[in-house]
Amino acid sequence: EIVLTQSPGTLSLSPGERATLSCRASQSVSSSYLAWYQQKPGQAPRLLIYGASSRATGIPDRFSGSGSGTDFTLTISRLEPEDFAVYYCQQYGSSRGYAFGQGTKLEIK
Amino acid sequence: EVQLLESGGGLVQPGGSLRLSCAASGFTFSSFVMSWVRQAPGKGLEWVSAITSSSGGTYYADSVKGRFTISRDNSKNTLYLQMNSLRAEDTAIYYCAKAAYNSLSVLNYWGQGTLVTVSS
Repeated sequence: EIVLTQSPGTLSLSPGERATLSCRASQSVSSSYLAWYQQKPGQAPRLLIYGASSRATGIPDRFSGSGSGTDFTLTISRLEPEDFAVYYCQQYGSSRGYAFGQGTKLEIK
Repeated sequence: EVQLLESGGGLVQPGGSLRLSCAASGFTFSSFVMSWVRQAPGKGLEWVSAITSSSGGTYYADSVKGRFTISRDNSKNTLYLQMNSLRAEDTAIYYCAKAAYNSLSVLNYWGQGTLVTVSS
């Protein structure tokens, strides 16, 4: 069973700054089956990135994903006010089901 | 437009049962894997269960195996989660989610969730 560990737990930044969120897997994620989701208070999660680096439909290009194997990164190039939320990484494509990281809260500094 | 609408949540006593439903529209329901994901109050996301398009395959998290049963009715475009022997730690918002393909692929659409509270 893959365990995903996200860091930091909380990230405090200002609008316009660059955000870098990390997701580390306890074992290699096959075929880069790694996704990122954004969740705002009171809302369902929204898919941002799949296949480690592909943006989902309608996601602005300030969001980018990278990485392979056990280390993955979500980067938001210039933070907009609406980007402050909780972000989760997720491993998929396994016959054992899905695994989520514990989340990173991105808050306004 | 893809829509997923969960229902059936509520307050139930420990040891009780509840059946959640998820009504789907805006896509060919019978062609995709569907999942349930839950979120305890103030906590992160936890995958619960998934089912293949034809119900030939079902998958469960260890935390619910033997207590929860996922099913679907493709003629009604509806996904279900039968929850038995409920515990306090099952208290959560339960989301229905659609996979991008007929495999345990990325979850590209989510419902708004239904709240289950297990308490005496």
